Amino acid sequence: DADVTQTPRNRITKTGKRIMLECSQTKGHDRMYWYRQDPGLGLRLIYYSFDVKDINKGEISDGYSVSRQAQAKFSLSLESAIPNQTALYFCATSDRGLADEQFFGPGTRLTVL
Amino acid sequence: AQKVTQAQTEISVVEKEDVTLDCVYETRDTTYYLFWYKQPPSGELVFLIRRNSFDEQNEISGRYSWNFQKSTSSFNFTITASQVVDSAVYFCALSDVSTGNQFYFGTGTSLTVIP
Repeated sequence: DADVTQTPRNRITKTGKRIMLECSQTKGHDRMYWYRQDPGLGLRLIYYSFDVKDINKGEISDGYSVSRQAQAKFSLSLESAIPNQTALYFCATSDRGLADEQFFGPGTRLTVL
Repeated sequence: AQKVTQAQTEISVVEKEDVTLDCVYETRDTTYYLFWYKQPPSGELVFLIRRNSFDEQNEISGRYSWNFQKSTSSFNFTITASQVVDSAVYFCALSDVSTGNQFYFGTGTSLTVIP
């Protein structure tokens, strides 16, 4: 089984709808992240959490919110989706060290019509 | 501020050619780590290598090699004798002390290897 899972894998929704993307991990890591990927822009950090009680905004947090329900679960919400939030969303986890790589989920492709 | 630049947006090579992907970074920290990730057409992100700021030795892993030069703030990635399976988007990333383990990614280089 995959160490980092994301649900759903694909989602099409309409402008104004509320959407939640979920991420679960079995690696036992404290740190979790949400990124979005857009063509030509690479991966940009939306939110990150260094433990259950520590949540921080990333580079592009406007229009998004998150919830860290447990060490293993980190959800991303779009309260009122808009078309320019159409993107590929990745969840990632890491251990605490500076040298520790991030492990990524398979991604969620979100389309907002 | 931290920044990673991958100036090559797209590269095409013919199979068996060598190719180098460039990565230039900016950070004020003296302790930092650099990473390379591969994103094949299937979409997942695969970790390739990490290098810390105190180790400037080049590294070779099979057909892959990495050249880290602090003097030019570069961490370049070379694929020797490229193969079709190397076709992917490659991302360089930076992690430094002042931001904990927050990664800064470059915009990626899309490599196409033509058979």
